[in-house]
Amino acid sequence: DAKTTQPNSMESNEEEPVHLPCNHSTISGTDYIHWYRQLPSQGPEYVIHGLTSNVNNRMASLAIAEDRKSSTLILHRATLRDAAVYYCIRNSNYQLIWGAGTKLIIKP
Amino acid sequence: SQTIHQWPATLVQPVGSPLSLECTVEGTSNPNLYWYRQAAGRGLQLLFYSVGIGQISSEVPQNLSASRPQDRQFILSSKKLLLSDSGFYLCACALWTGVGTGELFFGEGSRLTVL
Repeated sequence: DAKTTQPNSMESNEEEPVHLPCNHSTISGTDYIHWYRQLPSQGPEYVIHGLTSNVNNRMASLAIAEDRKSSTLILHRATLRDAAVYYCIRNSNYQLIWGAGTKLIIKP
Repeated sequence: SQTIHQWPATLVQPVGSPLSLECTVEGTSNPNLYWYRQAAGRGLQLLFYSVGIGQISSEVPQNLSASRPQDRQFILSSKKLLLSDSGFYLCACALWTGVGTGELFFGEGSRLTVL
């Protein structure tokens, strides 16, 4: 199956780091890994993407395993506004292959 | 930066009625455009994508169709809606900076309920 695998939901405390895992064991060598997040009744929002090296931006960090079969999205200090569904996606030849995502619950 | 406009935001239609959802893009030219559908609690399903005017690729065979009459306009249509067409429809514009790298920008979505 070309889709990625993520836990259905995760909980975290506010102001603590969050590590969201993703498995993509069938990924090809040229497929990028993208992460998007979606708040209720809104369109998804780009978070980060990478190919082989770990990536950092103002929103998050992306740690990619050396064999590229898994990756982890890291929110360094979660806030209540980070509560959303997070999608780990394969970008295969300009096509994004979406799974069901992880619902992240942030507890105050 | 690009902005995606979708309308209507909410639509309630009877089974068998026609459908037209419109998407327009500002802030970029010659974009790759996409229509996605999202069922409740599920991920996004790609319906159509377009790399230029009049160029439409269909990913899922169904009673929906898409058209791109202008560079920054993308329309999703149906002649006769089914109950299973209910869902959250999202239009997206791609800003690719290389093969596989770049990002999608999404509109706010159109929620369709077929009764």
